[in-house]
Amino acid sequence: ELKVEQNPLFLSMQEGKNYTIYCNYSTTSDRLYWYRQDPGKSLESLFVLLSNGAVKQEGRLMASLDTKARLSTLHITAAVHDLSATYFCAVAFNFGNEKLTFGTGTRLTIIP
Amino acid sequence: DTEVTQTPKHLVMGMTNKKSLKCEQHMGHRAMYWYKQKAKKPPELMFVYSYEKLSINESVPSRFSPECPNSSLLNLHLHALQPEDSALYLCASSQDLRTLNTGELFFGEGSRLTVL
Repeated sequence: ELKVEQNPLFLSMQEGKNYTIYCNYSTTSDRLYWYRQDPGKSLESLFVLLSNGAVKQEGRLMASLDTKARLSTLHITAAVHDLSATYFCAVAFNFGNEKLTFGTGTRLTIIP
Repeated sequence: DTEVTQTPKHLVMGMTNKKSLKCEQHMGHRAMYWYKQKAKKPPELMFVYSYEKLSINESVPSRFSPECPNSSLLNLHLHALQPEDSALYLCASSQDLRTLNTGELFFGEGSRLTVL
């Protein structure tokens, strides 16, 4: 069974602190995506990771992919309130017949 | 233009009504998707169209009927829905699934459906 698990499910952190969200998946894949969703809104694409060892950074967010460990991380540096949102990872298991499976989501709240 | 446009943004319907959700993209993408998202849950795939043909149906009840009239449009026809079908319905598109590409999905703003 295909599973994509994130932890933590909920994260409350103070502004200025660093933290990491983890995404584990159960079956071989070399393509992983991170999305952000604000309450009541759609999903915004953050990162596309297409190979083992891929690392991408945008502002205070950095994502990485280890396909051997079936693990991706989303690292937040010096958090600010604007980063409060729900973050989803999503894994593509079947190239050419795309079935993107989303993780459980991490609800991040940044406290001033 | 990097937008996926969905209408209506909000829809309230009774269990005997027939309604449709519409989705449009002008990015030249040849794959389009419908996802369903319940509150505080991840999106769940419903249908995938590739080159205007249905390629994936995730065992969705027949009261949901997708249609892809052309490469830019995707509809979801709704009939005899149940209150538990109330959710946010998200449309997405991506480049050609049959060539090497990122597979990145671009999502619309969603249609929030309430079934009374």
